[in-house]
Order: sequence, then structure tokens, then C-alpha cells
Amino acid sequence: DAMVIQNPRYQVTQFGKPVTLSCSQTLNHNVMYWYQQKSSQAPKLLFHYYDKDFNNEADTPDNFQSRRPNTSFCFLDIRSPGLGDAAMYLCATSRAGVGAGARTQYFGPGTRLLVL
Amino acid sequence: GDSVTQMEGPVTLSEEAFLTINCTYTATGYPSLFWYVQYPGEGLQLLLKATKADDKGSNKGFEATYRKETTSFHLEKGSVQVSDSAVYFCALSDTGTASKLTFGTGTRLQVTL
Repeated sequence: DAMVIQNPRYQVTQFGKPVTLSCSQTLNHNVMYWYQQKSSQAPKLLFHYYDKDFNNEADTPDNFQSRRPNTSFCFLDIRSPGLGDAAMYLCATSRAGVGAGARTQYFGPGTRLLVL
Repeated sequence: GDSVTQMEGPVTLSEEAFLTINCTYTATGYPSLFWYVQYPGEGLQLLLKATKADDKGSNKGFEATYRKETTSFHLEKGSVQVSDSAVYFCALSDTGTASKLTFGTGTRLQVTL
């Protein structure tokens, strides 16, 4: 089945130690998104890639970066995690354009990040 | 800007009760509307969607109708099960090329025996 995969499902890191979360997709979608979700809240968009074009949300801290080396993979890098960065990180994909199926985002299972 | 308003939770129902979770939206243009469900510790799963006025999305016994005149997309299910206990998010997708989602705050549903 076509899907969005996130690894690892749980990640523990130390305060200030860089960490990378990964996302891959078999849907061949051209748009990939990273969200942060804190407990009992809606997901908050950090940034997205439209093909190779990176689009940062205005309020995303500089501490968060992303890389998309090819269509299938996208990485979230947290350069110096703080205690406030502990959250669920969700990756999603969509097919841009018009018509049936476009504009629908499909989410991965998420990576829960714990910062010690 | 775009916004989505959902009813506050938690909603607690007995098994086999009727469910309604209200959702209204504010948007320019013609957004697509979605309901996502999130089970504990999991990502968001697409439950149903509607892309134009009067469309009805349905899945797993859940239904929602895109009502442009009332800017609403209320979620309904005729008979809930314990396994439906989860957080439900209403969302709209803008008409831009990247199709960003605007989420409601989420409604937690707890179904008891």
C-alpha cells in the first residue's frame, strides 16, 4: 500500500544535541509538509516543500531546518533542541494541482520527540 | 484569513448513541473540507472529505455534508462504538498551490459501554 513512513516512532535526545527525524513516502506526491503537534493541540505547520522549493512558515524558529534530497524523502533537523521542542512531529504529503485527490494531505504515524 | 471553529470537547457518549460534532469555517474562495481522526499516540488519519458545495463525504459510518450557505461541515455518525474514541479534527484546505490546511482545535470523543 502507498503510504507515508516516519522513523523513528520515538526519539529521545539531550538538551542541545542535534537530532534528525525522517519521512519517506511511496505516494509520489510533490508536496511534503512537517508539522509540530503538542499535547491536546492541533498540528502546527513548520514548513513544506513544493517539489524542491522550500517554504518556511513565518513563525517557525530558526532552530528547525529541513532537507528534501529527492521526491521520496524529507528530513527535519532540530539543531539545538530545547525542552519546549518535545512534541509529536508529523510528516504529510499531498499532490498539488486540481481534480480528484489533489489538495488532500496524507499523514504519517508521527515521531514523538522527548528532550532530556 | 481562513479559520475553522469546532465544538469544544470532550464529548462523552454511550455506545450506540448518535454523534454530532459541529464544525464551521471562514474562508475565501472554495476550500476543500476534511475530517481527520487521531487515535492516541498516532498520526492523523483522513476520515472523509468534500471538495465542493453539497458534496457529502462518508467513511466507516461517518458522514459530513459541505454546506456553503451555512459554512458548515458537521460530522455525524448514527451509532458510535467504543473504538471510535479518538480526537477529531475538522480542517480546510486553501486554494493555493501547496494546499495548506487550517485546523480546528480538535474534539475529543470518549465512548463508553
